[in-house]
Amino acid sequence: GAVVSQHPSRVICKSGTSVKIECRSLDFQATTMFWYRQFPKQSLMLMATSNEGSKATYEQGVEKDKFLINHASLTLSTLTVTSAHPEDSSFYICSASEVGGTSYNEQFFGPGTRLTVL
Amino acid sequence: GNSVTQMEGPVTLSEEAFLTINCTYTATGYPSLFWYVQYPGEGLQLLLKATKADDKGSNKGFEATYRKETTSFHLEKGSVQVSDSAVYFCALSDDAGGTSYGKLTFGQGTILTVHP
Repeated sequence: GAVVSQHPSRVICKSGTSVKIECRSLDFQATTMFWYRQFPKQSLMLMATSNEGSKATYEQGVEKDKFLINHASLTLSTLTVTSAHPEDSSFYICSASEVGGTSYNEQFFGPGTRLTVL
Repeated sequence: GNSVTQMEGPVTLSEEAFLTINCTYTATGYPSLFWYVQYPGEGLQLLLKATKADDKGSNKGFEATYRKETTSFHLEKGSVQVSDSAVYFCALSDDAGGTSYGKLTFGQGTILTVHP
């Protein structure tokens, strides 16, 4: 089946530093990747949608300059949290949609990255 | 806007018990409805889906019926197993045709624990 990986699975950083999270589709090509954020005991909130080779589309209220998304290839998207602060601590999840697959563009999810900003 | 409300958990059951996790939604148009499951340490996986009113999605013994009149998509299983312990998310997509290519709106998730 379609597998999506995320790296790192956990990261702890100091306030003011930047953190990059990678999302990879391991056995398929993804035209579109999605980035979600999940707070404890809350649902997944879509942050942005990224299409390979073009700029990401951010949801209302998500700061583009704070959460930089790059989707440079059909198998890799990155989310960079710039100048991270404690309020950015959260669980970040990516998903990917397959190009021309038989799964009717189903989203396949990564296992998530736990970010803690001290 | 779209929203999904799930039954609050956690839910704790004994093996072979009957499971119901309630899900109701608010959406414009005719959304597609999904249940996703997240096992410990893994990503979300699509469990089942339904694309139009009265459709029943089913997989691994789980079922859910798209009820437009009550805007609901309750998840049921007749006899749960320990291996069903996971977090279950109800979600909707407002794309026609049942694809989840478009945006998904999730419920808050329900933790299910099944004891032997």
